[in-house]
Parts: sequence; C-alpha cells; structure tokens
Amino acid sequence: KQEVTQIPAALSVPEGENLVLNCSFTDSAIYNLQWFRQDPGKGLTSLLLIQSSQREQTSGRLNASLDKSSGRSTLYIAASQPGDSATYLCAVCYTGRRALTFGSGTRLQVQP
Amino acid sequence: NAGVTQTPKFQVLKTGQSMTLQCAQDMNHNSMYWYRQDPGMGLRLIYYSASEGTTDKGEVPNGYNVSRLNKREFSLRLESAAPSQTSVYFCASSELSGSPLHFGNGTRLTVT
Repeated sequence: KQEVTQIPAALSVPEGENLVLNCSFTDSAIYNLQWFRQDPGKGLTSLLLIQSSQREQTSGRLNASLDKSSGRSTLYIAASQPGDSATYLCAVCYTGRRALTFGSGTRLQVQP
Repeated sequence: NAGVTQTPKFQVLKTGQSMTLQCAQDMNHNSMYWYRQDPGMGLRLIYYSASEGTTDKGEVPNGYNVSRLNKREFSLRLESAAPSQTSVYFCASSELSGSPLHFGNGTRLTVT
C-alpha cells in the first residue's frame, strides 16, 4: 500500500532554533512531493513542491530535500519564529496516481 | 483574489438528512478534488475530477456523490448523512494532476 508517514506528530522548540521535519513514503515511484502548512481552522497552503528528478527546493527560510531511494523527504526551517507555529503536512503524488497521498502532519509550536 | 471558495463554512445535520457542499475556483484549473480531514488520519481523498466532464473515486467514496458542473465548480453531495461523516471537508484545485494544489478553507460538518 502506498503510504506517507510523518514523525513526530508534534514538536515544540524555542524561537531561533533550526529544525527538521521528516516525511517517509513507501514507494519510490513518485511523480513529485509537496509540503503544506495548515493553520488552525484554515485550509492548506502549499510551501514547496519537489519534482522526482530534483533533490531539493528552497523558499526563504525553508528548504525541502528528497531522497527517493530511501523514501524520505525533510523540511528544514532555519531560525524558527513563533509565526512558524502550524501543522506541516507532506504529500506524495505517486506515479500513475492523479491525486496526492497525505501524511498525518507534524504540529509545530515555536516558543517565544 | 478568491482562489478556491467553499460554502458553507459550518453545517450541522441530523442522521439521514442530505446536503450539498459547494466549491468554486477562479484560477482556470483543470483538476479539482474533495478531501476529508479527520484527527490523526491526515487528509483522505473522496473524489476527484481530472478535467471537466470526468470524475473518479478516491480512497473513501462510499456515501458521497460528486458533480463537476463546469470547469469552475465541483460539488459534493451527501445523500443520507451518517455520524461517521462528521469531518472537515476540503476542496482543492490544481492546474493539472500533480501540479501544486490550492485549497479552500474547509467546511466543518457535524452529523448528530
């Protein structure tokens, strides 16, 4: 079964810390992988999309990496801020599938 | 700059009642999706429409029907609501399957 797993489910860090969120997937035949942010009571906002041919993507303080052979992606957040507090979800578009498969997310709390 | 608009935002139904969740996008996207989000389970795909005039079942289609009314609109219907359908429902769209996904703010549905 093609699944996506995110560990840990929740994470609390002090402001200013660099942190890494993890995502693993069960099948290396992927089309692309996306990272989303979800604020409480809101929809999801797309942060980064990595195509299967890419190793990483960067946007501001965010850097996402992709290692298909090990079935892993990481989202690196530099110099975390309280405004980064949200749930971060990873989603994989598996080859031959037209829709994304989502992980359960990591709830991040950045303490001021 | 509306993006993806969902109505209503909140709804309470009694078991057996029916309702339609509305979704419209103004980005001229070809693909549209309905997901449900439940605590600890991530987002699960109910139905999707890769292009106008086509619809396909996702992971959890039982108890739901959809209509791709035109390129802009994709509605989700519950014919006979059940307590197991209590959830937050998200509509999303993308230019093509596998393109970055844009989400609405969700409909919070409670079935008593």
